[in-house]
Amino acid sequence: SQTIHQWPATLVQPVGSPLSLECTVEGTSNPNLYWYRQAAGRGLQLLFYSVGIGQISSEVPQNLSASRPQDRQFILSSKKLLLSDSGFYLCAWRLAGNNEQFFGPGTRLTVL
Amino acid sequence: AQSVTQLDSHVSVSEGTPVLLRCNYSSSYSPSLFWYVQHPNKGLQLLLKYTSAATLVKGINGFEAEFKKSETSFHLTKPSAHMSDAAEYFCVVSDNVSGTYKYIFGTGTRLKVLA
Repeated sequence: SQTIHQWPATLVQPVGSPLSLECTVEGTSNPNLYWYRQAAGRGLQLLFYSVGIGQISSEVPQNLSASRPQDRQFILSSKKLLLSDSGFYLCAWRLAGNNEQFFGPGTRLTVL
Repeated sequence: AQSVTQLDSHVSVSEGTPVLLRCNYSSSYSPSLFWYVQHPNKGLQLLLKYTSAATLVKGINGFEAEFKKSETSFHLTKPSAHMSDAAEYFCVVSDNVSGTYKYIFGTGTRLKVLA
């Protein structure tokens, strides 16, 4: 069966520090991968999605970037964190031909 | 463009009474619609989904939703609320037009269940 992992589960970082959040999927090949953010008191917003290795689409301009170095690995990064980057980050995967997405457990990021 | 509107940001019900969480959608095409539940600091769990089959969709934990094209609605219901149902609920439409199948989320409804 397929599983999706995210780490770390929680992270507290100072403003201006770098960020790297990792998401990996097991038990499937060629998944479509997604990064969402849930800011406090707001709904979920799609940040990035990827249909294959090295293929990244950005949904909104922001202080973050994403990379997909391997088929089942999706990384969310920042060179310098802002206070507004605080939130709950969710990774999701989907198989081509299926419109249902499966979500990871999330990472709670607090920028101080 | 596709969108979803969750009409209530907060809903409170007494344990054992019915639950109704409202969702309206906008889509130029036959939509795929989902309801997810999120407990505090947890990921999203799929409750149910509509993908153009039966209009009455049954999900987990006694939840169901009815797709009404004439009303562009996909309201979530449960006959009897349980304390464990207290959580945030998201109505979602999938963007099947652009080929990305990205999710467009409603702003969420926080359900409170009173003892």
